[in-house]
Amino acid sequence: DGGITQSPKYLFRKEGQNVTLSCEQNLNHDAMYWYRQDPGQGLRLIYYSQIVNDFQKGDIAEGYSVSREKKESFPLTVTSAQKNPTAFYLCASTPRGTNEKLFFGSGTQLSVL
Amino acid sequence: GNSVTQMEGPVTLSEEAFLTINCTYTATGYPSLFWYVQYPGEGLQLLLKATKADDKGSNKGFEATYRKETTSFHLEKGSVQVSDSAVYFCALEPPGTYKYIFGTGTRLKVLA
Repeated sequence: DGGITQSPKYLFRKEGQNVTLSCEQNLNHDAMYWYRQDPGQGLRLIYYSQIVNDFQKGDIAEGYSVSREKKESFPLTVTSAQKNPTAFYLCASTPRGTNEKLFFGSGTQLSVL
Repeated sequence: GNSVTQMEGPVTLSEEAFLTINCTYTATGYPSLFWYVQYPGEGLQLLLKATKADDKGSNKGFEATYRKETTSFHLEKGSVQVSDSAVYFCALEPPGTYKYIFGTGTRLKVLA
């Protein structure tokens, strides 16, 4: 089945540790996105990528990094510089990126130990 | 800047009641407008969309009309079911930006 796969479903981070969230899609979509969801704050855009080897910062990129080496993959690293990383992280993709619906993964819940 | 404002929840209704969830937006030009639904522990799913003024999006009994004059995209359903209980997000994409901006979400609870 085609879709977006996020892993792991739950992730725990220790102080000072970097962690990487995986996002893979087999929909042949060009554009991919990372959002952070906090209770009562909706979804906030972290990074997005329209094509391979290119990506742009969203509204809350500080403390995060991404790469887009392959069309199907868009991993997100939460660095130790992100002081409040506990949140639900959602990855999404679209065929062309504009005026299109977003296809979402099932999310990763990140918590700090 | 570009933004979306939704009514705060939770909204609690009895089964078969009429639903309205308000959404207003601020954007330059003519953005595309969307409603997404999120069930517990899952990602979001597109419910409906509209891409130009006066367009009406509809799906599964839900409707929303793109009102440029009032910068609104209110979600309505004539008769809600328990299975409609979820969080609903209004979103927009400013023209050609590839950035999708979401509201804070409105939780709907439907009681049998």
